[in-house]
Order: sequence, then structure tokens, then C-alpha cells
Amino acid sequence: GENVEQHPSTLSVQEGDSAVIKCTYSDSASNYFPWYKQELGKGPQLIIDIRSNVGEKKDQRIAVTLNKTAKHFSLHITETQPEDSAVYFCAANKGAGNQFYFGTGTSLTVIP
Amino acid sequence: GAVVSQHPSWVICKSGTSVKIECRSLDFQATTMFWYRQFPKQSLMLMATSNEGSKATYEQGVEKDKFLINHASLTLSTLTVTSAHPEDSSFYICSARELAGLNEQYFGPGTRLTVT
Repeated sequence: GENVEQHPSTLSVQEGDSAVIKCTYSDSASNYFPWYKQELGKGPQLIIDIRSNVGEKKDQRIAVTLNKTAKHFSLHITETQPEDSAVYFCAANKGAGNQFYFGTGTSLTVIP
Repeated sequence: GAVVSQHPSWVICKSGTSVKIECRSLDFQATTMFWYRQFPKQSLMLMATSNEGSKATYEQGVEKDKFLINHASLTLSTLTVTSAHPEDSSFYICSARELAGLNEQYFGPGTRLTVT
């Protein structure tokens, strides 16, 4: 089955700096890679996703890059703000009807 | 769009009783709903996959007789924790995959279950 690894487990950055979270996956059949933000006591919220036919996707301060050859994808948050503080999860999926495999999460703290 | 609700948001029950958690897709139809369990500071653990009109598929190690799942319509799935014990205390989260969509899944806000 799929194995998704996520690093780092914790990340602290100064407000305004950038944050990068990296994930690797093992199953080359995976073709959909979402990122979720989870605030304390709440369910995960989809913030950005990328499919295997695209190498990069950007949405305002958030971007995701995908390297299919190396089987890794990364979340980039620029100009971080205190409200970006949360746990971020990456996931991999190989199509409708298949389950999502999650990374272990990254606790991001943005220091004002 | 793509809003998933859960009810209740938190519940406290006594050992031996049963608790039902509802998961609804509010503005889309969901053929597939997933139920997850999450322990503090850990990732999401898939418990079962629920398809409308058919029996749920449980992950290895999850007792189907203890965690009853019903997906009676395209907008509602329920999880019933039967004969609850303190070790069942956890954060339960559902997600739904849109019928007309591709792979995306949208999560509910979660239900905090405490068994005393």
C-alpha cells in the first residue's frame, strides 16, 4: 500500500517568513495530492491540492509543488501570519473509490 | 460550497451506552463518506468507507459490530458507537466525496466523544 511521510513534525517561523512542509509518497499510481489545515478541535480543511499532470499550483500565499519522478510534493506558505498557525496534513490518493493516505502532520507556529 | 456537517459536535456518555454521530453533506451529494478517528496530536486513522446503499468497508482492526455505519442517502451517513467504553473516547471525523467531483474529499468539523 501507499506510505506517506511528512517532515518536519514541528515548524516555527517568524511572522512574514516563509514555511515549507515536505511529503514523500511510495505508490507511483497516486495521482492526487491534497493539503489540509486543521485547527485545534476542528476538522481538517482542504487548502490546496495538486494532480499528477501539474507540477505546481498557487493560490495567493499558498503554493504546492509536485515532483513525480522523486515522488515528493511540498507546501509553501509565504508571508506567514499568526492565523496560519495550525497542523497541516498532506495526503495521497490514486483516484475515486480509493482511500486517502495521510502524512503524520506538521504543527506550524507563526511567531508574531 | 462543499460543506459537511456533523452532529453532535461533542458528547459525553456513560460506559455501556450507545452513541450515534451524524454526518451530512449540506450542498452536494456524496456517494462515498469516510469515517476517521483521531487521537491527540496524531494523524487521521481511517475506520471505514461508506457507500450509499451498500455495506460499509471497515479497515483492519476496526470492529464492525461495535462501530455501526449506515449510509442511507446521498447526504447522510451515521456512525453508532455501541456499548461504548472509555477507550472509545476520541475525536471522530467524517468526510464526504462529491458525486459529481473528482477525488476531492471534504471533512466535517468532528465530534468529540468522551465515555465516562
